[in-house]
Amino acid sequence: AQSVAQPEDQVNVAEGNPLTVKCTYSVSGNPYLFWYVQYPNRGLQFLLKYITGDNLVKGSYGFEAEFNKSQTSFHLKKPSALVSDSALYFCAVSPRGNMLTFGGGTRLMVKP
Amino acid sequence: KAGVTQTPRYLIKTRGQQVTLSCSPISGHRSVSWYQQTPGQGLQFLFEYFSETQRNKGNFPGRFSGRQFSNSRSEMNVSTLELGDSALYLCASSSGQAAYGYTFGSGTRLTVV
Repeated sequence: AQSVAQPEDQVNVAEGNPLTVKCTYSVSGNPYLFWYVQYPNRGLQFLLKYITGDNLVKGSYGFEAEFNKSQTSFHLKKPSALVSDSALYFCAVSPRGNMLTFGGGTRLMVKP
Repeated sequence: KAGVTQTPRYLIKTRGQQVTLSCSPISGHRSVSWYQQTPGQGLQFLFEYFSETQRNKGNFPGRFSGRQFSNSRSEMNVSTLELGDSALYLCASSSGQAAYGYTFGSGTRLTVV
C-alpha cells in the first residue's frame, strides 16, 4: 500500500525568505507525485507534478519540487515566499492506479 | 474551457437522511474521482469512475455510492447520514490517465446535524 508523509503540520517563514515544505512517500514501483494547494473553503489547486525525467520540476506561481528517489522525497520549494502563499499544501502520490493518496497537509504561514 | 463544477456548494442534512452530490468534469474528461476531506482523517479516496464504470474504490462503507452518466457527469450518494459524514466532498476530473493529472472542483460542504 502506498503512503505519503508530510512531517510538518505548519511551516512559518518570513516574506522574501526561501520556503521548503517536506514530503516523503512509500510506494512500490515508480510513482507519479503531485503537489496541490488549498485556500480556505476552496478545492485543491494543482501546483506541479513529477512523472518522469528531470528530478527538478517547475510549477505554478514560482514553486518547484525536487524528486529524490533514494530518499523517497518530493519536497516543495520556492526561492522567495509571498504572504499570498499562505495556504494548506498537500503532497500526493498516484501509483499509476488512477487514484491519489494524500499526505496530511502542511499549513504554510508567510509573515510580512 | 470550463472547470470542474460541483453542486451544491453547501448542504445541511439531518442524521438518517440521504444526500446526492453532483460533479460535472472538464469537457472531454472521462474520469471522475471523489474524495472526502475532514479535519481528522484528511483527504481520503472514495471511488473513481471511468466511462460509466467504477474502476477503483476506497475503504468506505456501502452507504457511500456513486455513478457516472454517459456525459461523464457523476453523482455520489450517501444514505443514512451520520454526524461523521460532515465533510468537504471534492471531485477530481481527469482524462483517465494519472500521468495527465487531476483537476479538482471547489467541493460540496456537507453538514450533518
